[in-house]
Amino acid sequence: AQTVTQSQPEMSVQEAETVTLSCTYDTSESDYYLFWYKQPPSRQMILVIRQEAYKQQNATENRFSVNFQKAAKSFSLKISDSQLGDAAMYFCAYRTYNNNDMRFGAGTRLTVKP
Amino acid sequence: GAGVSQSPRYKVAKRGQDVALRCDPISGHVSLFWYQQALGQGPEFLTYFQNEAQLDKSGLPSDRFFAERPEGSVSTLKIQRTQQEDSAVYLCASSRTSGRSYNEQFFGPGTRLTVL
Repeated sequence: AQTVTQSQPEMSVQEAETVTLSCTYDTSESDYYLFWYKQPPSRQMILVIRQEAYKQQNATENRFSVNFQKAAKSFSLKISDSQLGDAAMYFCAYRTYNNNDMRFGAGTRLTVKP
Repeated sequence: GAGVSQSPRYKVAKRGQDVALRCDPISGHVSLFWYQQALGQGPEFLTYFQNEAQLDKSGLPSDRFFAERPEGSVSTLKIQRTQQEDSAVYLCASSRTSGRSYNEQFFGPGTRLTVL
């Protein structure tokens, strides 16, 4: 079974600073995708960034980047220049190539202080 | 439509009542997913459709849960004889296709179900 663990229930960052959210996962598969989703109070899940396991290069989307360590099964999200609008729940998720359902972690609530 | 829509946004049911939750996926999207998100938790997979075919229902927690997508577009998640433990947000997502290639899942705003 694949499991996704987010060990930080809550994180806080000062506006314009950098924060890193942690995620580890457990799998015996070699081909899979990893994702970070943002869920604001409106409940709409928004894809922030994705990583394909076969790619060694870490994915980057503007202020968001990941540190993907495949051997350690670690997938952390770094948010640079944090903005008030970044405040939300962040979920790490995993999906194998052959299955369409995603497995989510329990989430990290990010607070951004002005 | 522009995105995935779900209705109702909020539903309060008395224990034992049946409920039906609707999902309108993005037009033309082949795949449709239902997830259950308990308070303070991440979403958990319930079931998956490819067009009208329900290919995976391994996440449905009991036989009180039933999902359908008869014409390969709109889907309904039905919960019979609701119990308090069914209280959660039910999220629907759709994607263009399915399979090994990457296809982003677009999520709806969810239906918050409260069972009293």
